[in-house]
Amino acid sequence: KAGVTQTPRYLIKTRGQQVTLSCSPISGHRSVSWYQQTPGQGLQFLFEYFSETQRNKGNFPGRFSGRQFSNSRSEMNVSTLELGDSALYLCASSVGPGTNYGYTFGSGTRLTVV
Amino acid sequence: GENVEQHPSTLSVQEGDSAVIKCTYSDSASNYFPWYKQELGKGPQLIIDIRSNVGEKKDQRIAVTLNKTAKHFSLHITETQPEDSAVYFCAAKEAGTALIFGKGTTLSVSS
Repeated sequence: KAGVTQTPRYLIKTRGQQVTLSCSPISGHRSVSWYQQTPGQGLQFLFEYFSETQRNKGNFPGRFSGRQFSNSRSEMNVSTLELGDSALYLCASSVGPGTNYGYTFGSGTRLTVV
Repeated sequence: GENVEQHPSTLSVQEGDSAVIKCTYSDSASNYFPWYKQELGKGPQLIIDIRSNVGEKKDQRIAVTLNKTAKHFSLHITETQPEDSAVYFCAAKEAGTALIFGKGTTLSVSS
């Protein structure tokens, strides 16, 4: 079956701009989590959505937001981009937040802010 | 919230040797502990996981052990091969909460 699809794969933006990243989960998975990956910091949790509702939120500023659609696809948005937002943004899907099963990750979107 | 510490940050071994990566977690309510492998240019891939009602789990050359009392768990890779070279992440969660990751271990296996 198809895996987690993230688009676009690469993105270059200018400071101050905003960006929207997309994630399509595995068919049947209703939970989508977003992570920011930077060298030395590992994977830092941004937020998790289930049934179009944000269920968990990490410690990131309000410039980072997300949403989930009725088909479980999710988008995350970063407004007023800063140089420090340059990172690999990973999306992971799972059956649901109330279960303890492995997350399946996409290949990520590499965002570069110049 | 949960905090996961992972050691070492880098690990170099000779082909055929064993590799051990250790993690500690802070939230005693966590009951699910997966390990992920990330190769260059790819997203992390689940390689093995363990739940709190189990002390050890093996899958071919990979094993994970869990000590709930001490709140630590470890990944053991035996008979390492060059294709085992990657970044490995441990993680912890409780049902209903976010999956929290350690900062990763870069494993290099030289032939």
